[in-house]
Amino acid sequence: GAGVSQTPSNKVTEKGKYVELRCDPISGHTALYWYRQSLGQGPEFLIYFQGTGAADDSGLPNDRFFAVRPEGSVSTLKIQRTERGDSAVYLCASSIDSTNEQFFGPGTRLTVL
Amino acid sequence: AQSVAQPEDQVNVAEGNPLTVKCTYSVSGNPYLFWYVQYPNRGLQFLLKYITGDNLVKGSYGFEAEFNKSQTSFHLKKPSALVSDSALYFCAVRFTTDSWGKLQFGAGTQVVVTP
Repeated sequence: GAGVSQTPSNKVTEKGKYVELRCDPISGHTALYWYRQSLGQGPEFLIYFQGTGAADDSGLPNDRFFAVRPEGSVSTLKIQRTERGDSAVYLCASSIDSTNEQFFGPGTRLTVL
Repeated sequence: AQSVAQPEDQVNVAEGNPLTVKCTYSVSGNPYLFWYVQYPNRGLQFLLKYITGDNLVKGSYGFEAEFNKSQTSFHLKKPSALVSDSALYFCAVRFTTDSWGKLQFGAGTQVVVTP
């Protein structure tokens, strides 16, 4: 496929559990972004990767959240000790570089019970 | 503080009528401005952007937007709305003081086009 893909599409977990969300960006896109969208709100920035490194992680809400992009392509967002307030749709976007428009994946809906 | 606002939670329009979705921003410097559309259970789709140049920008699906620096606005427009345009629309701003391209989104405007 030509677009950004995210897996799983839905994730239900229990409070306190660990979850991983995966993003496959468009091939050749060096810039990768994670956003979080809560119900009735616009997406909020979490973290930005340029290549393999996290160039800006200022949007991560706390140290329970972490993301990696070890080979400069696929990225994984990791959430430890999940809380009910983490429930949201997590969106991944990629861009050919940081100056161009971002293309979004369909998102992962995370529900923490 | 830099911000972006979409003052209308919902816009209702009859099919065939003009559609306008409003967006204003507050920023020092010149921002990059974007419009995205979100259909139910689908990701955000890019519609158009303003970086520099002509204040009237044309995008996908017949949409256009006008950048107005004095009013700090970037309203989305379509001359003749379709029922299929019913969706959630987001205005987003990339502040040029930010080197990494992260976007700040408005809260979104639900567009409802009735037959």
